[in-house]
This record gives sequence, structure tokens and C-alpha cells, in this order.
Amino acid sequence: DQQVKQNSPSLSVQEGRISILNCDYTNSMFDYFLWYKKYPAEGPTFLISISSIKDKNEDGRFTVFLNKSAKHLSLHIVPSQPGDSAVYFCAASAGLQGAQKLVFGQGTRLTINP
Amino acid sequence: NAGVMQNPRHLVRRRGQEARLRCSPMKGHSHVYWYRQLPEEGLKFMVYLQKENIIDESGMPKERFSAEFPKEGPSILRIQQVVRGDSAAYFCASSPGRILSYEQYFGPGTRLTVT
Repeated sequence: DQQVKQNSPSLSVQEGRISILNCDYTNSMFDYFLWYKKYPAEGPTFLISISSIKDKNEDGRFTVFLNKSAKHLSLHIVPSQPGDSAVYFCAASAGLQGAQKLVFGQGTRLTINP
Repeated sequence: NAGVMQNPRHLVRRRGQEARLRCSPMKGHSHVYWYRQLPEEGLKFMVYLQKENIIDESGMPKERFSAEFPKEGPSILRIQQVVRGDSAAYFCASSPGRILSYEQYFGPGTRLTVT
């Protein structure tokens, strides 16, 4: 049972435009959500997070939106840069309730074209 | 400030041998997590430890796998009698364990190949 789903295996965006990565979850116990970026042969790098008491969190070029009623979150990157090309993972936890393990989606490979 | 350290980065074992993967958390972090990534898949949680305690091992296979985080030294993930299906990237993450701070910071991973 895949509790966190990233339905787009890949996404291609032109440099300077907006990249939008999507993530859906099924477990209503999840209350904390994170996005990670991963380059080949490296560990995931934390990008941005959001708790369920918010619907938006922004950090520089990265903004995460949370729609609890739809059990959906998205990561917006604007403007997209070539260095943003990587695999992006959405992750969720019930951290506010003490369950700290992260449940990951399958990842979306983002390619930024010059 | 050094990040999460894992060693070895690459490990080759023959079927039936033991694999030991080590993880040193970030300075000031007392919580350690192990995840496994199979090819073309996302990361799967294995175990969550604090110093000298296993907090959640719901993702650990019931046999051959064990983990520890001793009072002194790194966390160890141990796989006994490895099989080809254990070939994967194993990632360790750490967090400070503070209330309302649930970000986990990952190491570079150990790539285990079982021949």
C-alpha cells in the first residue's frame, strides 16, 4: 500500500520557468510533510517542510502548498535553474504525534532544459 | 559542522557473508534513522534509534537484520548471511529530536552489492 504517491516519474521544464511537483497521500494521520532533492550517488538533501497547521511555506525559490482536504501537496520552484535537475522526493510523517519515521514517495525526476 | 557520515560508501559481499554499515549522526543530533532504497524505488524506513534504545523497528526484516546505537560510537546496521535481494543503497539520517523539529538530514549512503 503506497501511502505517499508521486504520480509523475519525470518532468521537464525550461530554465527560468516554474517547476511544479505534485504529491498525494492517503493516510490522514500524516501531519508533517517534507521535500527532498537527490542527486545520483548522494543522499537526499532536505529542501523545505510544512506542518498540517499551515497551507503554505516559502523559502527563497521554493514554496510548498498543502491541501489537507484533498490530501495533496505540491512543490513550486521558481525560477527553475539547471542545478535544480535532480530527483525530488516527497515524504510524510505523523511527527506531531510522535511517529517520526518518514514515508517517501517514489520520486519525480526533474530536468531543467537551458 | 560535519554532516551525517556513513562508511563504507561501497561494500561488496558474497552471499552468506555479513555486512556492517556504520553511521555517525550530525553533531548535536541524538536520533538516528536507517532507510533502504532499492533500484528505481523510493526510500523505505527500516529503524529509528536513540542512544542505546530502539524506538521503532517496524520496517526491519524479522530475520538477519539488526541495528544498534551505542552510548559511544556510531550506529551500526548489521545484515547477517546476506542474499542478493539485500543489494541496495542504505541511508542513515539524523535529527536533533527537538519538539516541532522533524527534519531528518541524510548521509551519502552505503551501496551494498551482494555477489
